[in-house]
Amino acid sequence: GENVGLHLPTLSVQEGDNSIINCAYSNSASDYFIWYKQESGKGPQFIIDIRSNMDKRQGQRVTVLLNKTVKHLSLQIAATQPGDSAVYFCAEKSGAQKLVFGQGTRLTINP
Amino acid sequence: EAGVTQFPSHSVIEKGQTVTLRCDPISGHDNLYWYRRVMGKEIKFLLHFVKESKQDESGMPNNRFLAERTGGTYSTLKVQPAELEDSGVYFCASSRSGQLGQPQHFGDGTRLSIL
Repeated sequence: GENVGLHLPTLSVQEGDNSIINCAYSNSASDYFIWYKQESGKGPQFIIDIRSNMDKRQGQRVTVLLNKTVKHLSLQIAATQPGDSAVYFCAEKSGAQKLVFGQGTRLTINP
Repeated sequence: EAGVTQFPSHSVIEKGQTVTLRCDPISGHDNLYWYRRVMGKEIKFLLHFVKESKQDESGMPNNRFLAERTGGTYSTLKVQPAELEDSGVYFCASSRSGQLGQPQHFGDGTRLSIL
């Protein structure tokens, strides 16, 4: 797949466990953050977003936490399933419309 | 609703040739973006259209790259002449507006290989 050759941070968890994927962002002026999931051969798929005036947002089985003090974003996935195996990216936006992506984390679910 | 579609999914060309990538955004999305990932790097922004106008092209690497969005619908990205370092995956994304809370939705990309 396209992520071959990339030395991504990896996270391995047991099926059914909870996963926490972390991301440090760079721009203190960023006002909008998104988590994307990318499976092999596919494009980034929107999971959840959060604005800078919030510190937590929940979706279905996913929660995003934002700590602006230390410029840290995390994605929590509850009760991970085999289909959750993918590369996860955080992205930030500040003023301009372009997204700035992190390097990604490869999540592997062990049966 | 149909998602963002990109064509072709793969393209293999020789150095010096020309390649044109196409993106069809989600219907009704005025904002269209091009990004790319070259080997070993993060996904990087190339440019942003609002309808047919280029809003931000600060990420375009050089004048060998030309993006158009005539009529404000689909967009093309032409690379002429292609160089080896242009190899990578080119993604297109679209959003309904540029306001906060409007996520960008991505296509599956075009994998471009320059030989």
